Amino acid sequence: DTGVSQDPRHKITKRGQNVTFRCDPISEHNRLYWYRQTLGQGPEFLTYFQNEAQLEKSRLLSDRFSAERPKGSFSTLEIQRTEQGDSAMYLCASSPRGPSSYNEQFFGPGTRLTVL
Amino acid sequence: DQQVKQNSPSLSVQEGRISILNCDYTNSMFDYFLWYKKYPAEGPTFLISISSIKDKNEDGRFTVFLNKSAKHLSLHIVPSQPGDSAVYFCAASQDTGKLIFGQGTTLQVKP
Repeated sequence: DTGVSQDPRHKITKRGQNVTFRCDPISEHNRLYWYRQTLGQGPEFLTYFQNEAQLEKSRLLSDRFSAERPKGSFSTLEIQRTEQGDSAMYLCASSPRGPSSYNEQFFGPGTRLTVL
Repeated sequence: DQQVKQNSPSLSVQEGRISILNCDYTNSMFDYFLWYKKYPAEGPTFLISISSIKDKNEDGRFTVFLNKSAKHLSLHIVPSQPGDSAVYFCAASQDTGKLIFGQGTTLQVKP
């Protein structure tokens, strides 16, 4: 296992369509995070899983967004009825067991979403 | 409300000299701080971190300093190399471990 992987790397869609992204974390990492990054900004936290439990969601995550991690391994992030403002880089990160604050997070390459 | 700020959007230094990247934060509950480096079309790569109970952490050419009273941290890279040219993000963490990032500083190291 060489790192966090994300699929697809790029997604172009039309406004109003649904999209789904996948993240495969580093094996045995029990924490998984989703972030969103727009141009000129740092990544912004969206949501966080510990194993299969979704423990925290940002208020940035509107009702159109849903994330799952059904078996505590890979995760999916779905955006329904996409809007042009959803265009961004969606980053996934994972971290190992241990005191929650003291773990470096390892990021995937991201999925770049463009909504036309 | 920007809890983590990097006030310098860009920095240019000569190869071999020291690069100093700065970061300020407002939330005194942050207990762990990290620096990430990001190349275009890649995800952020972890560089170095520091716990709030320390004031310095060193790893090879990279040193992070933390001044809790000033709510300020800095990353020193010495000597700087052209391969260090990238966007650098500082990040802070508390509780769940979610990271709060600054806006980033683009470092250019000139040969």
